[in-house]
This record gives sequence, structure tokens and C-alpha cells, in this order.
Amino acid sequence: EIVMTQSPATLSVSPGERATLSCRASRSVSFTLAWYQHKPGQAPRLLMYGASSRATGIPARFSGSGSGTEFTLTISSLQSEDFAVYYCQQYNNWPWTFGQGTKVEIK
Amino acid sequence: QVQLQESGPGLLRPSETLSLTCTVSGASIRSSFWSWIRQPPGKRLEWIGYIYDGGTTNDNPSLKSRVTMSLDTSKNQVSLNLTSVTAADTAVYYCASGVGWLTDWGRGTLVTVSS
Repeated sequence: EIVMTQSPATLSVSPGERATLSCRASRSVSFTLAWYQHKPGQAPRLLMYGASSRATGIPARFSGSGSGTEFTLTISSLQSEDFAVYYCQQYNNWPWTFGQGTKVEIK
Repeated sequence: QVQLQESGPGLLRPSETLSLTCTVSGASIRSSFWSWIRQPPGKRLEWIGYIYDGGTTNDNPSLKSRVTMSLDTSKNQVSLNLTSVTAADTAVYYCASGVGWLTDWGRGTLVTVSS
């Protein structure tokens, strides 16, 4: 199965700053990559699919890029509601697999 | 807006069968794909499987055919059964809509397997 590795494990960022999260696949997944946001006690929320397409209702400060094995989620100016855990997930090869998550915390 | 809510027993003993139900509102379960995902404590999310089109399923080979999923269109519910549970099956279990990427998720339900 394809192993997804996210870095860093924890990212400390001040509100208003830019956050860059990385996701690496153990082999190519083309553009079949999704990103999710998860806050404690809430349902996870789809942010991106197809590596760079924003899901319905997702603000433009979220952007995704990459293909093959290297992917990035960028939050251009962090808002208070953006502090959460972020997961990447590939859907190129079954079983579809998730990264271990990056926690974005307030600096 | 699609809403999903998982329900089921919070505690099971080893060797029992885990049975969970996902109640869907805001959409017909006939019209989409439905997935089950879990997250053991301190570990990454794991896709259990998905169901669609009246009952066609695909489950994760790592679960060694212990998984059964079904649809109840009269109640608009999706069900998951996992047989012969062990402590390794302790996790938060989520249902979600979609295949490939997951559009809507429930909040999850914690299932603990302990003697």
C-alpha cells in the first residue's frame, strides 16, 4: 500500500502568517490527493481534492499544489479558526491511505 | 447540507462483532458512495471500505474479510459490521460520503474493545 508521510508533525504559526504543510507519497499518486481539516470534537472537513481543487465553501486562503509524490497545502494568512490538524490522503491506489497529520498550533 | 451520525455500542469484548449504523440526512443513500474510516488512538486514519449502487462493496485487505457493509434505504442508513474484534480494533469510527475524496463526514464514535 502507498504510505503517505506528512511534515512537519507540528507547525507553530502566528495568526496572519503563512503556513506550508507537506505531504509525500511512497510512490506516484498523480493528482489524486485530498486534504482535510480536523478540529477536536468535530467532523473532519474536506479542503482540497485533485491536489489543487478547493472543495465547496473553502476560503481562497487555502491552496494546494503538487503531483506525483510531493504535495503542499498552503494557508496564506492563518485565521484563528484554521488552527487544527490537517491530513492528506491519496486515492490513486486501493486501499486509499492517509498521512499521519500535521497539527497547526498557535505560536 | 448532508449530515451523518454514527451510532453503536461503545464497548465490546474480544471476539464479538462490532455493529455500527450511520444515519444520513440531507441526501438519499441511493445517490452516493458511502465510506467507513477509523482512527485508533495515536495512529493514522484507516479506510475500512465503501459501499455503493445498491450494495456493491470494497473493503481494505488489511481487515482480512472481517468487514460487511450494507444499506437500509427505508431508514436512509449505512451499516458496518466487523467480526472477531480485538483490542487492535479500538478506534474512533467515522462514516463519510464519497469515494476517492470524502465530501462529508460524521463526528465519529469511539469503540473500545476490552475484556
